[in-house]
Amino acid sequence: DADVTQTPRNRITKTGKRIMLECSQTKGHDRMYWYRQDPGLGLRLIYYSFDVKDINKGEISDGYSVSRQAQAKFSLSLESAIPNQTALYFCATSDHGGEEQFFGPGTRLTVL
Amino acid sequence: GENVEQHPSTLSVQEGDSAVIKCTYSDSASNYFPWYKQELGKRPQLIIDIRSNVGEKKDQRIAVTLNKTAKHFSLHITETQPEDSAVYFCAASTGWLTGGGNKLTFGTGTQLKVEL
Repeated sequence: DADVTQTPRNRITKTGKRIMLECSQTKGHDRMYWYRQDPGLGLRLIYYSFDVKDINKGEISDGYSVSRQAQAKFSLSLESAIPNQTALYFCATSDHGGEEQFFGPGTRLTVL
Repeated sequence: GENVEQHPSTLSVQEGDSAVIKCTYSDSASNYFPWYKQELGKRPQLIIDIRSNVGEKKDQRIAVTLNKTAKHFSLHITETQPEDSAVYFCAASTGWLTGGGNKLTFGTGTQLKVEL
């Protein structure tokens, strides 16, 4: 089945460490997104990319960076992790001209 | 930018009753309004959406209504069942037909519990 996958699924790290979350998709979609989910705050957009050469900041991009290595791969990096970046992170994809977003299974990140 | 408010944050209903979740948006240019369902420990999945050229859309037991003048839209679930228990998110986008992509702004979510 065409799908959206995320690695790792769970990660515990320490303050100040660099960490990368990876997203891969086999749907052939050109648009990819990174969200974080916090209790009571819903899903907030961190970065999005409409194609390999297009990267855009979302509403909460401070402290994060991204890399679109290929159409199928979109990575999120925390250069120096801090405790308030503890959250559930979702990658999502959508097709050009299509509105539905397909989410990955999520990565639960804990920063101690 | 767009701001989407969602109410209530929690909703408890008896099995068989109806549930209504309401959202308001701030950007009058928004033209696409999806609803996502997230079961416990799972990823969000689209359950229904509506575009600004219609006022209502139904799919079996779920329906969505849109009032562009008041800038609010609602999710209606009839004959609720235990498997409807989940967190529901509304969202808004200006991307439909405008080529602006589908960058979504989500509401804060509603925890729906259907009690037996």
